[in-house]
Amino acid sequence: AQKITQTQPGMFVQEKEAVTLDCTYDTSDPSYGLFWYKQPSSGEMIFLIYQGSYDQQNATEGRYSLNFQKARKSANLVISASQLGDSAMYFCAMREGIGGTSYGKLTFGQGTILTVHP
Amino acid sequence: GAVVSQHPSWVICKSGTSVKIECRSLDFQATTMFWYRQFPKQSLMLMATSNEGSKATYEQGVEKDKFLINHASLTLSTLTVTSAHPEDSSFYICSAKRQENYGYTFGSGTRLTVV
Repeated sequence: AQKITQTQPGMFVQEKEAVTLDCTYDTSDPSYGLFWYKQPSSGEMIFLIYQGSYDQQNATEGRYSLNFQKARKSANLVISASQLGDSAMYFCAMREGIGGTSYGKLTFGQGTILTVHP
Repeated sequence: GAVVSQHPSWVICKSGTSVKIECRSLDFQATTMFWYRQFPKQSLMLMATSNEGSKATYEQGVEKDKFLINHASLTLSTLTVTSAHPEDSSFYICSAKRQENYGYTFGSGTRLTVV
């Protein structure tokens, strides 16, 4: 079963507008972490934001915020005031908690290609 | 900040030859290194997890004799693609786990083309 699902293969947004990239996850572990990464065409993975399963507040980092809805198992990324340089592939990823062979591994979603139009 | 240096950034090799990719943590000790493979416009697929001083743990379906991983020190992990074939052409990227919750540092990736 897919543990991380990104249902938007591609998204388009106008410069300076906000955009939401969807991510849902599936785990039975009470302790987990959710990550968002940006991958430009160069291939490097750029860490954007992290949300722990026990964090009470939604994570924010500059123009990035994570809309964490634990009961719905969703962790959508919101990018405010989009810039041309935001055009890239975006990945949601999950790290499951301590124990078993999963500890420490990141499982990635399929990715969403974001294109920012001027 | 924490940096993982990955080399080479791109390599072209002939079918049947072996290619070694290095990931070196420059300013921290990487006790655990993850190796991923990525095809164009697709997700990162975990190939194996290596811990310093022990044998790597390979994901299901990954040939351990073909993708040799060595993690001999706390700062260096290598992936060797043995007897490479055109279907091995892909983007390979390493990731070192650090101590804090969001402590993963990725290398810059290696684009392998087998001709």
